[in-house]
Amino acid sequence: QLQLQESGPRLVRPSETLSLTCTVSGGSISSSSNYWVWIRQPPGKGLEWIGSIYYGGGTYYNPSLKSRVTISVDSTQNQFSLKLTSVTAADTAVYYCARHLYNWGQGILVTVSS
Amino acid sequence: AIQLTQSPSSLSASVGDRVTLACRASQDINSGLAWYQQKPGKAPELLIFDASNLESGVPSRFSGSGSGTEFTLTISSLQPEDLATYYCQQYSAYPLTFGPGTRVDIK
Repeated sequence: QLQLQESGPRLVRPSETLSLTCTVSGGSISSSSNYWVWIRQPPGKGLEWIGSIYYGGGTYYNPSLKSRVTISVDSTQNQFSLKLTSVTAADTAVYYCARHLYNWGQGILVTVSS
Repeated sequence: AIQLTQSPSSLSASVGDRVTLACRASQDINSGLAWYQQKPGKAPELLIFDASNLESGVPSRFSGSGSGTEFTLTISSLQPEDLATYYCQQYSAYPLTFGPGTRVDIK
């Protein structure tokens, strides 16, 4: 059974970079046809797709975040990561990593505050 | 971007009731639609993919239908553990988008 776990700082200062890692267990991140996804959910609000990466190399980002987002894969660690630059309080959210559609991590609350 | 609207935004129903949730897309997405259930404090869980395919392990009281721009999720007999918010998501085109959700309460 594939499992995903988010990790990273839970408090980020405004204007700094949010960096999260998703560790995949129970399967290889290099498996063909898998898309790996980051999604976020501000407290009390709905879900927002941040971006997806295909192991073959393609990345797709939400246009509303594209200028600030980078998603990458580290196959040696069976991990993929999210970097979001120049954060503000509006970036405070639970961040989820997922295998497209099927498997989600438990989520990590990241607060942007000084 | 493809916009998804969900109706109603919330509902309250009794155990055993048949419940129907709607999701409408702003343009044709064929069958590229998933339904998720999110219980309070938990990550969303996939119920339905490709508009009508039941994910493995999901109770058979859940079913999905529709194609194009109109979709429905039906719970044939509401159970207490179905208290949750239900989201639709389209993956027919980037950017992927979610509907705003329907909150289901138990009377």
